[in-house]
Parts: sequence; structure tokens; C-alpha cells
Amino acid sequence: GAVVSQHPSWVICKSGTSVKIECRSLDFQATTMFWYRQFPKQSLMLMATSNEGSKATYEQGVEKDKFLINHASLTLSTLTVTSAHPEDSSFYICSARKLAGGYEQYFGPGTRLTVT
Amino acid sequence: DAKTTQPPSMDCAEGRAANLPCNHSTISGNEYVYWYRQIHSQGPQYIIHGLKNNETNEMASLIITEDRKSSTLILPHATLRDTAVYYCIVHRNAGNMLTFGGGTRLMVKP
Repeated sequence: GAVVSQHPSWVICKSGTSVKIECRSLDFQATTMFWYRQFPKQSLMLMATSNEGSKATYEQGVEKDKFLINHASLTLSTLTVTSAHPEDSSFYICSARKLAGGYEQYFGPGTRLTVT
Repeated sequence: DAKTTQPPSMDCAEGRAANLPCNHSTISGNEYVYWYRQIHSQGPQYIIHGLKNNETNEMASLIITEDRKSSTLILPHATLRDTAVYYCIVHRNAGNMLTFGGGTRLMVKP
């Protein structure tokens, strides 16, 4: 158990458009989900922490109006990149913490976003 | 959270044990040592974690020194599929956000 999926796995969009990325916990409920971003040859950087039913907490330097996060249920969080630009091209990864159980985080497979 | 230091890269021959070191000299008494790995273009995968005792599971073994200032992740029989970036993270509670350092890029060679 403890599978996290992301959709889409990759997406190409034009500059100025918005893109929504979904993160789902398939076999468990998650109170908290995290969104990370990873540029080529770099480590993961936390963007925001998402708690079900409340507003997300963004890390310093991450624009909350540009990266909209919604965590409407215990199994789904979405990240919307609004007015995407080429510099937003990156690998976006979500993770989820179980509602009950241990403290391990389970990561999704990632979404490759390319903005042209 | 305590900072960790890992070598940027390591090579290992297929079938041999891969020993990945991690220094965490400022670790606090209530902080765990977690290991994750990231295969190219995939999300990180949890490997193992421990507090002060050595731990073993089906993937790896974790050896933590008595003073807890360093640890070693051991992959007993490395395969080509173990080629990945391995991250050592020290944290009180991995249910909260994780801070990823540079990790060690392990290359398993035939």
C-alpha cells in the first residue's frame, strides 16, 4: 500500500496558459500533501505544504498567486501553474503523509512540465 | 533540522555491496535518519530510517554510529537498477516537509 499518483506525467503548454497537476493518494487518506519542484541536476525544493480543507503554506519565494494549490479531499491535491512561463519548466513532485500510521512520506512519480 | 553531508558521487560494481556514508554531526537526540533514493525522472522512494539502532529491511541496511554523528546505508548486492541519487535526511518527523540536500549519485557498473 501507500501509492501516490500524479496526472499528467508530462505536459507541454504554451507560455501564458495555465496547467493543472493532480496528486492522488490511491490507497490511503492523506491529511497533508507536499509539493516539490526540481530543476535539472538539482535537488528537490519544497514549494508548499497542503492540508486538507485549509489554505496551503508556501515556502519563501514561491508565489501563491502563481502556484495555486487546492486540497479538497483526503486523497486529492491539485497544483495549478497560472500564466506559465518557460522558467516554470521543471519536474513537479508531490508527496503525501498518511492520516494514520507512521511518519513516512510517499512520493508521486512526478510531472514534467515544459512551457514553450 | 540537522544538516547532512554526503559525497556527491560514488561508483559500485554490480553484485558488490554499496556503502553510502552520511555525516550529520549536529543531529539532535529526537531526530531520525531517513534515506530516500531517486531514480532518474522519478519521484523519491523511501528506503529506510532509524533513530539509534541499526536497521535492516528488504532493500537495505542502515548503520548508525554510537554517537549518531554519522551513518551508512548499505545495499548488500547492488544491481544496475540501484543506480540513483541517494538522499540522507535528518528529521524529527518525516511526516512534515523534508529538506533534500545534494545527495550521492550512485552509479552501479557492470
